[in-house]
Amino acid sequence: GIQVEQSPPDLILQEGANSTLRCNFSDSVNNLQWFHQNPWGQLINLFYIPSGTKQNGRLSATTVATERYSLLYISSSQTTDSGVYFCAVTLMNRDDKIIFGKGTRLHILP
Amino acid sequence: GAGVSQSPRYKVAKRGQDVALRCDPISGHVSLFWYQQALGQGPEFLTYFQNEAQLDKSGLPSDRFFAERPEGSVSTLKIQRTQQEDSAVYLCASSPNGQGADTQYFGPGTRLTVL
Repeated sequence: GIQVEQSPPDLILQEGANSTLRCNFSDSVNNLQWFHQNPWGQLINLFYIPSGTKQNGRLSATTVATERYSLLYISSSQTTDSGVYFCAVTLMNRDDKIIFGKGTRLHILP
Repeated sequence: GAGVSQSPRYKVAKRGQDVALRCDPISGHVSLFWYQQALGQGPEFLTYFQNEAQLDKSGLPSDRFFAERPEGSVSTLKIQRTQQEDSAVYLCASSPNGQGADTQYFGPGTRLTVL
């Protein structure tokens, strides 16, 4: 089956720093999403981005579908950005489920 | 408006006990999904409903797991004769249309611990 690999697995940064999270996937996908899971376990959709670039405040994401990767950028990190960031893909012709990567655990120090 | 809710939020069961986990999706959402998230891992797909029809149950790990959505709204995930390896967070998600590629809205999860 498709492999969704995220890097780095863990990241510790000082408040105010910038970061780039990467997601590689092994096959063509119908869609790609980035989620943030906060320390209380709630999953929040950040971006719905099968291709191209989107920005929302301090966060932006770019997906290059032809090269099978996506990047999530976080600028001027805040402690509330801490948590786990998941990349998740929807397969071509199998849009009934999402396949998640293992996540990048981000810890922002005050 | 109200989001996806799940109950109970925490459940402790003795090995061999049956459990039932409830999901209330966002009102009017056609699609409903169940995921299992083990500690330190990403969520893994269990099953998918479109209204009351269970269209995909390929992710259910064994025949001890059973899900239903009889009226196309509330869903229940039942685990019979629980085992320690069933310990995980069970997440429910819903989406407005009958396509999984839509944005899915997740509930807070039920943390199941099997002793």
